Amino acid sequence: GESVGLHLPTLSVQEGDNSIINCAYSNSASDYFIWYKQESGKGPQFIIDIRSNMDKRQGQRVTVLLNKTVKHLSLQIAATQPGDSAVYFCAEVVHSEKLTFGTGTRLTIIP
Amino acid sequence: DAGITQSPRHKVTETGTPVTLRCHQTENHRYMYWYRQDPGHGLRLIHYSYGVKDTDKGEVSDGYSVSRSKTEDFLLTLESATSSQTSVYFCAIRTGPAGTGELFFGEGSRLTVL
Repeated sequence: GESVGLHLPTLSVQEGDNSIINCAYSNSASDYFIWYKQESGKGPQFIIDIRSNMDKRQGQRVTVLLNKTVKHLSLQIAATQPGDSAVYFCAEVVHSEKLTFGTGTRLTIIP
Repeated sequence: DAGITQSPRHKVTETGTPVTLRCHQTENHRYMYWYRQDPGHGLRLIHYSYGVKDTDKGEVSDGYSVSRSKTEDFLLTLESATSSQTSVYFCAIRTGPAGTGELFFGEGSRLTVL
């Protein structure tokens, strides 16, 4: 598959446990924050987003937390499954229609 | 579901040659994007389009040009390819509401410049 990143931060989690992936952002003026998932050989896939005036949003098995005080974003995945193995990117909408992506975190699920 | 076709999916070329990557969407989405992905850099925006003949630069636009003569097609051109442009290129369309950042990505085009 495509090489996404050779020196990514990595997180290994036991199957069935919860995963927490963290991201620091830099721009206080961002309107939206988004999490993307990228499986090997594929393009990134939208998971969930959160508006800057919120601090928590839940989806199906995923929760995003936003702490604007310390400019920190996290993605929590409940009951991690083998299919959750991927690289996860946070992104922020800085100017209208432009997204800025982080460098990604590789999540590996241990059977 | 949104559909994107990128072509070619793989290309090997030599330094100094022109290269054009094509992105074709099957729906009528207004916004289209070209990103490149490199180890250690995540995805970086090259150019984007907000309508036919309406384009704007991203953070790494030097050495690239784009054209959008039809809603469904967004072309990325490297006028004279360099080895630093070896990368995986992703096209995306905006499928969510304005300003939310919800994009749908294609499968990518791997370009190698020798």
